[in-house]
Amino acid sequence: EPEVTQTPSHQVTQMGQEVILRCVPISNHLYFYWYRQILGQKVEFLVSFYNNEISEKSEIFDDQFSVERPDGSNFTLKIRSTKLEDSAMYFCASKRGPSTNEKLFFGSGTQLSVL
Amino acid sequence: DAKTTQPPSMDCAEGRAANLPCNHSTISGNEYVYWYRQIHSQGPQYIIHGLKNNETNEMASLIITEDRKSSTLILPHATLRDTAVYYCMGFGGGTSYGKLTFGQGTILTVHP
Repeated sequence: EPEVTQTPSHQVTQMGQEVILRCVPISNHLYFYWYRQILGQKVEFLVSFYNNEISEKSEIFDDQFSVERPDGSNFTLKIRSTKLEDSAMYFCASKRGPSTNEKLFFGSGTQLSVL
Repeated sequence: DAKTTQPPSMDCAEGRAANLPCNHSTISGNEYVYWYRQIHSQGPQYIIHGLKNNETNEMASLIITEDRKSSTLILPHATLRDTAVYYCMGFGGGTSYGKLTFGQGTILTVHP
């Protein structure tokens, strides 16, 4: 079965630094998402993206966050100036079409540690 | 987004059926019910989804009540590898193509 690929699997950074988390969605998918999960807490929606635009974002997704699809295959999440509380597992997800009958495929995640 | 209610934890003996309930009384008429699971801190894994009818695939069965206010996920022969957090969700949100909103889920422990 095709997979959503995320790199790196682990990222360690210093507070205040910029990080870019990378995702390669499934090739024929058009709808992209980022979620995060702080240790011991539930999976939280960050943002959805379609047609090179943000479609929906949560309160967590403030001005420090941005997303981009720089080419035909990658989908990135940038955190401009990381904070300690940004430490979490970040999951990328994608689906093929607009119907809510289309399931969402998740990647295996990037563990971000902010020191 | 549909609000869902699941028991925080359940146990099941290996080889027996695991029946995981979910209440989703606020689900809208065109909102699919999805089940995912998460093993340790891995990415959520799709299990099954449905709208009105019962569904079955190679992993599980989904029973949705006629009024759509609740559903049950059935793992017919649970194994130790089925120990995970199971999430029941509606696929709703602010856009026409929706988003999944995770709750706390049910921690299923399968024991020998």
